[in-house]
Amino acid sequence: AQTVTQSQPEMSVQEAETVTLSCTYDTSENNYYLFWYKQPPSRQMILVIRQEAYKQQNATENRFSVNFQKAAKSFSLKISDSQLGDTAMYFCALSGNTPLVFGKGTRLSVIA
Amino acid sequence: NAGVTQTPKFQVLKTGQSMTLQCAQDMNHNSMYWYRQDPGMGLRLIYYSASEGTTDKGEVPNGYNVSRLNKREFSLRLESAAPSQTSVYFCASSSRQGANTEAFFGQGTRLTVV
Repeated sequence: AQTVTQSQPEMSVQEAETVTLSCTYDTSENNYYLFWYKQPPSRQMILVIRQEAYKQQNATENRFSVNFQKAAKSFSLKISDSQLGDTAMYFCALSGNTPLVFGKGTRLSVIA
Repeated sequence: NAGVTQTPKFQVLKTGQSMTLQCAQDMNHNSMYWYRQDPGMGLRLIYYSASEGTTDKGEVPNGYNVSRLNKREFSLRLESAAPSQTSVYFCASSSRQGANTEAFFGQGTRLTVV
């Protein structure tokens, strides 16, 4: 079975600062992808970034980047220059031969 | 560009009532999913349909039934609603079932069972 663990239920960061959200996972599959989804108060699920397990290079999307440590089964999300619009729930998710499995989420608050 | 459309967006049911949540996608996706979101629990898979004509149970299927009506539509039915089914329900779709498949989500349905 695939599992995803997010150990930080809530975090806060000052505007313009950098914050890192943690995620660990477990899977027996060799071919899998990891995702970070953002859920703002509107409830919409928005894909932030994805990482292919067979790529060693960490994915980057503008202010969002990941630190993918395959051996440790760790997949953290770094948000640089945090903005008020980054306030949201963030979900780490794992996809393999079965549908997406989600962590329990981290609620991030960006403080002005 | 509708993507994934869910109806209704909000619903209040009395215990024992039945209802069907509707979901349609216009992206010609093969795979569709139903998740529920509860505080502190993340999103948990109820049922999914890897392709038209197939459905499979997810992590929390009890109390639900699904129908893959055609390639576009995937409905979720609560036959006899219980307060434990109070939740936010999300429908999602992806081009196929597999590792590199971005899932696209509907806006969610907030269901309250009293």
